[in-house]
Amino acid sequence: AQSVTQLGSHVSVSEGALVLLRCNYSSSVPPYLFWYVQYPNQGLQLLLKYTSAATLVKGINGFEAEFKKSETSFHLTKPSAHMSDAAEYFCAVRSGGYNKLIFGAGTRLAVHP
Amino acid sequence: DGGITQSPKYLFRKEGQNVTLSCEQNLNHDAMYWYRQDPGQGLRLIYYSQIVNDFQKGDIAEGYSVSREKKESFPLTVTSAQKNPTAFYLCASIGDRGFNEQFFGPGTRLTVL
Repeated sequence: AQSVTQLGSHVSVSEGALVLLRCNYSSSVPPYLFWYVQYPNQGLQLLLKYTSAATLVKGINGFEAEFKKSETSFHLTKPSAHMSDAAEYFCAVRSGGYNKLIFGAGTRLAVHP
Repeated sequence: DGGITQSPKYLFRKEGQNVTLSCEQNLNHDAMYWYRQDPGQGLRLIYYSQIVNDFQKGDIAEGYSVSREKKESFPLTVTSAQKNPTAFYLCASIGDRGFNEQFFGPGTRLTVL
């Protein structure tokens, strides 16, 4: 069965600092992985997805993630944090058929001046 | 513009009452999903539907019911049997081409008084 673990429920960075949000997955088949962002009281917006093409995936708003099979990881990074990046971030893995998604518990990113 | 709409944005109900949350999409997507979001728990799948007049239980279906009479609509009823219905509810849909991402609606926050 597939599962997702996000390390760190809260991450705080300074504006301009590196953002690193961690995601580890468990999957018995080649995984399809996603990062979503959620702003308060809103739905989820896709940041990027990995579907077995390039291992380094670039997304919107300057985010990128690297798929590392040996580490079963799909960490999200951004070189320089902006105040507008403050939100909750969810990592998800596609589960079995029917395009179901299994979500991690989420990481809330705070960006301070 | 194509998208997913959920209504209402906020919903208050007395304990013991059934309540129906609306989800409509004009993306011509076949599959639709309902998730429940609680703080610190990520998103959990309630029900999903791959085609009209067909739906399957997700991980936490007890106390909920759905219907799929039209491709565009997938309403969720929270019944009095749901022990703790206060939560943020998200609807999503996905096209049937390859392993695409799910698109999410803006959500409905249900508070049971």
